[in-house]
Amino acid sequence: DSGVTQTPKHLITATGQRVTLRCSPRSGDLSVYWYQQSLDQGLQFLIQYYNGEERAKGNILERFSAQQFPDLHSELNLSSLELGDSALYFCASSPQRRTDTQYFGPGTRLTVL
Amino acid sequence: GDSVTQMEGPVTLSEEAFLTINCTYTATGYPSLFWYVQYPGEGLQLLLKATKADDKGSNKGFEATYRKETTSFHLEKGSVQVSDSAVYFCALSAQGLTGGGNKLTFGTGTQLKVEL
Repeated sequence: DSGVTQTPKHLITATGQRVTLRCSPRSGDLSVYWYQQSLDQGLQFLIQYYNGEERAKGNILERFSAQQFPDLHSELNLSSLELGDSALYFCASSPQRRTDTQYFGPGTRLTVL
Repeated sequence: GDSVTQMEGPVTLSEEAFLTINCTYTATGYPSLFWYVQYPGEGLQLLLKATKADDKGSNKGFEATYRKETTSFHLEKGSVQVSDSAVYFCALSAQGLTGGGNKLTFGTGTQLKVEL
């Protein structure tokens, strides 16, 4: 157990809908990262937040957004969902902004029908 | 940009066989290198890491050495067990991103199957 928690574990929804994925980092970690794992794209970095502020952005679609709250938990919002958004979404955390070791949560499996 | 290349899987071995999973990378600067493991239905677990050239990371019998001259970080284990069956990901950490952030770039993963 890495100490990173993610909810829900599974999510099934329809095209065009909006969902929110939640992540709680390890106790004391200030950085939160989001990754998408799909069969065709592999593991892709989406976005990083550090202590409430966005710090790095990867291949994140405009339909996706994230935020980190004062209690350091983070939410990833996915809207206007398409079939191709079906994937495993991982959250990771690390102690500092530039610390390279990241600890991953168990993931949320999103299925868009 | 940064990239990681891993050998294609699946790799199928008999128990107690020697394991090598090749990993090479392309990066600017001096990245840190990692191996993560993903067991079926689970998230990614950090297996080992190395932060500078010639460092050797090790954990649970697995080892990998950071070779700057060959830009490689091959994973090895002397004697695999059935419980080692999983997908193994090589990754590098890029720092100095705009905003002072950090991210991991992953290889495509190599599935290992160990049979009795």
